[in-house]
Amino acid sequence: GQQVMQIPQYQHVQEGEDFTTYCNSSTTLSNIQWYKQRPGGHPVFLIQLVKSGEVKKQKRLTFQFGEAKKNSSLHITATQTTDVGTYFCAGKTSYDKVIFGPGTSLSVIP
Amino acid sequence: EAGVVQSPRYKIIEKKQPVAFWCNPISGHNTLYWYLQNLGQGPELLIRYENEEAVDDSQLPKDRFSAERLKGVDSTLKIQPAELGDSAVYLCASSPVRGARTGELFFGEGSRLTVL
Repeated sequence: GQQVMQIPQYQHVQEGEDFTTYCNSSTTLSNIQWYKQRPGGHPVFLIQLVKSGEVKKQKRLTFQFGEAKKNSSLHITATQTTDVGTYFCAGKTSYDKVIFGPGTSLSVIP
Repeated sequence: EAGVVQSPRYKIIEKKQPVAFWCNPISGHNTLYWYLQNLGQGPELLIRYENEEAVDDSQLPKDRFSAERLKGVDSTLKIQPAELGDSAVYLCASSPVRGARTGELFFGEGSRLTVL
């Protein structure tokens, strides 16, 4: 079946280091969304990418959508303790389904 | 503006018992989703409503799960009878976007179910 994978599953970084999580789909996506879930919280929308090769920035966060619209990445520059949480990508398939990846859990060591 | 409201936040039941979860979406949001989230995993779609119509319930285990969204506002998700494997967080989300377009999902705090 259609799958959305994310790597790595866990990432521990020293505060100030950069962080990247990668999202890969087995099929071409119509768009991709990114969500952040703090420990004990619920997913919160970060951004949506629609166009092939699209790049969007939100302060220290950079989001990319691959040219083939099958992969995406989230890069955080100079992590802070407030970045702690699990980052999920969610891809919309051609069958109009939104499939969440398993998430990348980020820990930031002060 | 009030967010998506879910209740109860926590529920502990014995297996084979019934349980129901309630969701009140953000006012004006036509699309409502129920997701299941197991520990350490991403949300998995159970059912999607557009107004009162269930437009995608392909992932809903219909032998024990049921859902309704009367009048196209509040929604209830029921499990009867509950099994041990149903222990998870049940998330409700709403979106103002209808049809084929996908917009931001606004999630509630979730209902954590423990089946003993």
